[in-house]
Amino acid sequence: GEDVEQSLFLSVREGDSSVINCTYTDSSSTYLYWYKQEPGAGLQLLTYIFSNMDMKQDQRLTVLLNKKDKHLSLRIADTQTGDSAIYFCAESKEAAGNKLTFGGGTRVLVKP
Amino acid sequence: AAGVIQSPRHLIKEKRETATLKCYPIPRHDTVYWYQQGPGQDPQFLISFYEKMQSDKGSIPDRFSAQQFSDYHSELNMSSLELGDSALYFCASSLRRDRWVPDTQYFGPGTRLTVL
Repeated sequence: GEDVEQSLFLSVREGDSSVINCTYTDSSSTYLYWYKQEPGAGLQLLTYIFSNMDMKQDQRLTVLLNKKDKHLSLRIADTQTGDSAIYFCAESKEAAGNKLTFGGGTRVLVKP
Repeated sequence: AAGVIQSPRHLIKEKRETATLKCYPIPRHDTVYWYQQGPGQDPQFLISFYEKMQSDKGSIPDRFSAQQFSDYHSELNMSSLELGDSALYFCASSLRRDRWVPDTQYFGPGTRLTVL
């Protein structure tokens, strides 16, 4: 989506950390999300962060939000081959009916 | 746990035909969203319903219509199909809460529509 942008591709070795970046334009976003999509499958919600938070950690996942720069990142620790997928960041605004606006997706390839 | 159910999972239609996609939300969820994901693209919001009323509308063509029924299931009706309508159509459901908890959307597996 034009309001949310991501890099297209990331290659990482198994066991290393992955960092997926996302920028958004709308400062009124209420929540920011990370979704995972495996080939031919639906969208799986990984985690979300409220716009007034800086960081959220959930097991191997760490989300960092820089509201000033409108930059969101997802760090996956100890990346596994099962983490290979397309990762979408998305934003929603309570004032806009909570619909999700997605970035273009980052394809993550984990090499053994 | 019950998930969002979509049917059919795959659908092949000819140009100018009609198609109906169905979505059964997670039990007790009151909101349904429809998204369209073209090949290699990100999902685009089409339309949403809250308590059986349309709550928001996105880039949905006039050829498409949708509704949410009394049992909260939703149907997306697509007429005069075009080649460009070939895509993965996702339905998501959520339970509206207060603003301090996100309107977490749970996605179904999608319906893959191919228009020939």
